[in-house]
Amino acid sequence: ELKVEQNPLFLSMQEGKNYTIYCNYSTTSDRLYWYRQDPGKSLESLFVLLSNGAVKQEGRLMASLDTKARLSTLHITAAVHDLSATYFCAVDINAGNMLTFGGGTRLMVKP
Amino acid sequence: GAVVSQHPSRVICKSGTSVKIECRSLDFQATTMFWYRQFPKQSLMLMATSNEGSKATYEQGVEKDKFLINHASLTLSTLTVTSAHPEDSSFYICSASQGWSGFEQYFGPGTRLTVT
Repeated sequence: ELKVEQNPLFLSMQEGKNYTIYCNYSTTSDRLYWYRQDPGKSLESLFVLLSNGAVKQEGRLMASLDTKARLSTLHITAAVHDLSATYFCAVDINAGNMLTFGGGTRLMVKP
Repeated sequence: GAVVSQHPSRVICKSGTSVKIECRSLDFQATTMFWYRQFPKQSLMLMATSNEGSKATYEQGVEKDKFLINHASLTLSTLTVTSAHPEDSSFYICSASQGWSGFEQYFGPGTRLTVT
């Protein structure tokens, strides 16, 4: 059974600081996704990582994938309040389109 | 592109009644649709997967007779919660993809179900 673990589950940080969210998974995967969820809303797709060593950046967020370590990271640079949300990673094994979600990281950025 | 809608966005129903939630792909044909449930402050849990014209495949622990899924066309899937109980209150999110293998899922805006 595929297990996807995120840490931390909750992160409170000051504006301007950097931090990394980790996503570990237990089985070989073809692709990994990062999503953002605002309170009461559905998921917003942030990144799709398709291969070992993949790195993608959008604004203050950068995601990377190490398939050998079965680890993905979401790095936040110089956080701003607007980044406050819950972030989920999701793993798709064998390109079978079946997503298994991590537990989510609730990020709160304080002024 | 790749827009998925859900209707209704919020619904309140009385215990014992049934409620239907629609999921539509607006600008693409969705061969496969997925239904997820999310309880407050928890992650998304896959309930079932449906392919157009086929019976849905339910995840372990999900009652197929309680959560009826119909994927009658390439743009529409419905989830009917039958004989709803307060414990069925949750956020239901659908997603759609253009194929079974190697295609990204596009998520709908979700439906907040409250059973009183």
